Amino acid sequence: QLQLQESGPGLVKPSETLSLTCTVSGGSISSSSYYWGWIRQPPGKGLEWIGSIYYSGSSWYKPSLKSRVTISVDTSKNQFSLNLNSVTAADTAVYFCASSRRDSGYDFWGRGTLVTVSS
Amino acid sequence: DIQMTQSPSSLSASVGDGVTITCRASQSISTYLNWYQQKPGKAPKFLIYGASSLQSGVPSRFSGSGSGTDFTLTISSLQPEDFATYYCQQTYGLPYTFGQGTKLEIK
Repeated sequence: QLQLQESGPGLVKPSETLSLTCTVSGGSISSSSYYWGWIRQPPGKGLEWIGSIYYSGSSWYKPSLKSRVTISVDTSKNQFSLNLNSVTAADTAVYFCASSRRDSGYDFWGRGTLVTVSS
Repeated sequence: DIQMTQSPSSLSASVGDGVTITCRASQSISTYLNWYQQKPGKAPKFLIYGASSLQSGVPSRFSGSGSGTDFTLTISSLQPEDFATYYCQQTYGLPYTFGQGTKLEIK
């Protein structure tokens, strides 16, 4: 079964760019069956969908974040990545990467990584 | 965006009880409704997809129903490991959206 693991800095300064990578094992990121997503959860709050990408590079973003977000895929490394620029304290959250089948829920998740935005 | 509203926000119950959590969508989402369980410090666990289909490995005491705008998650006989926060999510339209969560606590 798929395993996903987030990696990246745990501390980002305000106005800078948050960059995270999700490494997929146990399967190919180029599988036509799967979509790859990022979800975040501010401390003590609920889940927020950030966006998704398909192995072809097609991507979809939450409109309120679209101007600041880029999700990309590297099939050679079996990874996909999240870049969120111009961060503020409101972007402090646990960031999860996850996999889903088309129009279905997220069946495999990474453990999540806490990113704190602070100077 | 499609708004997802869960009720109640919190719920107290005892081991062995049956409980039902409701999720309402702001517009019809057919059966594109998923349920997750999350324990503190852990990633969400995928329970149900398509409103009523049990994900592989999920105990049969969990069940889901509904279509259109109104959905329910039922746990037939609570076990100690079921005390957690539950979220619904719609995958009918982008952006995908989650309910605010229902915290199930031990009475």
